[in-house]
Amino acid sequence: SQQGEEDPQALSIQEGENATMNCSYKTSINNLQWYRQNSGRGLVHLILIRSNEREKHSGRLRVTLDTSKKSSSLLITASRAADTASYFCATVPIGNTGKLIFGQGTTLQVKP
Amino acid sequence: EAQVTQNPRYLITVTGKKLTVTCSQNMNHEYMSWYRQDPGLGLRQIYYSMNVEVTDKGDVPEGYKVSRKEKRNFPLILESPSPNQTSLYFCASSAFAGTAGEQYFGPGTRLTVT
Repeated sequence: SQQGEEDPQALSIQEGENATMNCSYKTSINNLQWYRQNSGRGLVHLILIRSNEREKHSGRLRVTLDTSKKSSSLLITASRAADTASYFCATVPIGNTGKLIFGQGTTLQVKP
Repeated sequence: EAQVTQNPRYLITVTGKKLTVTCSQNMNHEYMSWYRQDPGLGLRQIYYSMNVEVTDKGDVPEGYKVSRKEKRNFPLILESPSPNQTSLYFCASSAFAGTAGEQYFGPGTRLTVT
């Protein structure tokens, strides 16, 4: 089952601009995570936000979580060409905390 | 270097020929998991293991087996591979106990079943 749906599916911006990606999910969660994947390679963990947290920062990344709307957003500020990648949200459902359910991802292109 | 390794990285095989993809982590992580990634379907969890000798089904377990006899290893077994198991497979591990936390991913195994 696909818990997370991401929006937009693809995003193209200029270097220096901000990029915002959104993730919606269906069931109550224990935590939500964001990952980055460079073309066909392994995923890299970016941020984990727990269900009782509303916002988290890591460097140029800002993640928000709205459990009432069952949605999260990932903001990348001052983007760089090296940020070009696919970004995935993944949720851990309450009651089945071993599962990790991924969204379909947003493909971000940052043009130099 | 802390890492998750998978072998082989690339494999072409024929329908019905049993195969095993190995996964090993050197971080003493409790949790390990297998995923497959397909175009248009994203990543889907196959099996996960919260600890040694404890395994559970993910969303797409049919046609796969796993075992967790040691903490560091979590092999994925395809007893009778079929073409619909052609995919990119990832193993991952996590230090979180009792929940799927921050995952460290291996480099992936690209499997083609003809």
